[in-house]
Amino acid sequence: DIQMTQSPSSLSASVGDRVTITCRASQGISNYLAWFQQKPGKAPKSLIYAASSLQSGVPSKFSGSGSGTDFTLTISSLQPEDFATYYCQQYNSYPRVTFGGGTKVEIK
Amino acid sequence: QVTLKESGPVLVKPTETLTLTCTVSGFSLSNARMGVSWIRQPPGKALEWLAHIFSNDEKSYSTSLKSRLTISKDTSKSQVVLTMTNMDPVDTATYYCARIRRGSGWYEVYWGQGTLVTVSS
Repeated sequence: DIQMTQSPSSLSASVGDRVTITCRASQGISNYLAWFQQKPGKAPKSLIYAASSLQSGVPSKFSGSGSGTDFTLTISSLQPEDFATYYCQQYNSYPRVTFGGGTKVEIK
Repeated sequence: QVTLKESGPVLVKPTETLTLTCTVSGFSLSNARMGVSWIRQPPGKALEWLAHIFSNDEKSYSTSLKSRLTISKDTSKSQVVLTMTNMDPVDTATYYCARIRRGSGWYEVYWGQGTLVTVSS
């Protein structure tokens, strides 16, 4: 199975900060990488697919990049509604998808 | 509008079998390339994929849990059912069903709201 490793596991940031989260796959997954946002008590929400494509309705402050084994999610200017936990997910081995361990973005 | 809703017991005892039902609307489980997964999340922990079933009834299971899981569907009832045998307290989690589809250059996931299952005697 493909393992996904996210870093950091948590970070503290201020409103307006630029935030970057990293995700690494245990083997090459091309660009079959998605990012999700999850708030407490809620189901995850899709943000990005194909490593860099925004899902419909997702604001452009979110961006993704990478291919192969290394990927990043960037939030250009952190807003109060962006404080949440973010997960990467590989779907190269769809339907056997796997998730990263999550990155909790907290208010500094 | 695509919706999925999980239902099942809130509390199960160790060694019991868990049966969860995902009722879908806004699409048919018989549509080509349609598929539904079960995913779980222990409190405060990461998401874990469990199983998937396609419209042609092809099934796929988590390697680590395969011996305990069975996924099935009833197209006429628009339901996908997951059973997990020999439940243990470490299986306490929120269980989600999700419609997951992948195509050429696209990928979409619709999530249910999740249902919390606690395993305790």
